[in-house]
Order: sequence, then structure tokens, then C-alpha cells
Amino acid sequence: AQKITQTQPGMFVQEKEAVTLDCTYDTSDPSYGLFWYKQPSSGEMIFLIYQGSYDQQNATEGRYSLNFQKARKSANLVISASQLGDSAMYFCAMSAGGYQKVTFGIGTKLQVIP
Amino acid sequence: ETGVTQTPRHLVMGMTNKKSLKCEQHLGHNAMYWYKQSAKKPLELMFVYNFKEQTENNSVPSRFSPECPNSSHLFLHLHTLQPEDSALYLCASSQEQRGGTLTDTQYFGPGTRLTVL
Repeated sequence: AQKITQTQPGMFVQEKEAVTLDCTYDTSDPSYGLFWYKQPSSGEMIFLIYQGSYDQQNATEGRYSLNFQKARKSANLVISASQLGDSAMYFCAMSAGGYQKVTFGIGTKLQVIP
Repeated sequence: ETGVTQTPRHLVMGMTNKKSLKCEQHLGHNAMYWYKQSAKKPLELMFVYNFKEQTENNSVPSRFSPECPNSSHLFLHLHTLQPEDSALYLCASSQEQRGGTLTDTQYFGPGTRLTVL
């Protein structure tokens, strides 16, 4: 069975500072994918970044980077230079053991302070 | 329209009503999904359609009935719902390769906020 754990229910960050959102995962599959999504109050789930289990380098997309530590089974999201529009729920997710069966974490609420 | 759209955005219904949620994807994808998001719980996958065929039904009660007439449209028909069915219902789509790959990212719509009285 797959499991995603997000232990930070809420986080605050000062505008223009960097913030790390934690995610640990558990799977027995050697091949898996890790995703981060952002959900503003409007409800839409916005895809941010993807990391494959065999990727040698950490994924980056603009201000988002994924700190992938395979041995520790962690896939933390780093947001650099936070903006007020980054305030939202952030979900870590994993696909494994059946590529369409995506398991989501419970989310972290990020609030950016001016 | 771009991306994945869902209508209505908000729905209030009584337990004896029948209603339908609609999802449309404009991404040329061939797989579509229904998820349920309840407060303080992870997203729950309800149904998966690949190439218009239902391939997954995660023990969803029969009061939820999906329909996928083509690869761009997905419906969720609702009848005799319970108050605990109140939630945000999210539709997603992805481009699945035959045999599948792990990089088939799912793209979501804005959701329908459902309240059952």
C-alpha cells in the first residue's frame, strides 16, 4: 500500500523568503512518481512539479524545487522568494503500483505574510 | 475554454433530488477521473475512465453513477445522497499511454462544491 505523510498542518512564511513543505512517502514499488499540487481557496488543484524515482537530479520548475532524498523517502517542496499569491493548500502525491492510482497527502496550508 | 472545466461550481440538493455534475477537458487527454475531497481527509479516488472505459471503481456507493460518453466529457449522476456526501468533487484528466507511464500527470478542474441537506 502507498502512503503519503504531510506533518505540517499549517505554515507561515514572510514574503520574499523561502519555505520548505515536508512530505514523506512509503511504497514497496521500486518505480514511482512524486507530485506536488497547489490548491487555492477557489478549489482548483494546480500541478506544480513532478519527480520520478529514477531521476538523478532534483526537479525544478521556476520558483519550485523538489528536494528528493530517496533513502529517507522524502520529497520536500521548496518555494523560493515567496509571494502573497502562494498562500494556498499544498498537497504531496505519489503514483505507484498502478500508474493511475495516485495517493494524496492531507495537505499543508501555507500563508504568506506581507 | 482551456484546461478542465466543471459545472456547476456550487450545488445544494436535498436527499431525494437527482442532479448531475459535468466535467469537460480541453487538453486532448484520454483518461478522466472523479475525486472526492472532504474536509481534513486526503483526496479519495472514486472513478477512472481510460479511453472511455471505466477501469476503476473504488467501492463507491451506487448513489453515485459515472458516465463517460466520449474522451472529453465526464458526468457524475447523483441520487438519494446523504449529508455525509457533502464535499468538493474534483474532476481530473491525463494523457495515458497504452501500458502507462508514471509521468502521466493529472490535471484538475476547479471542482463542484456539493452540499446535501
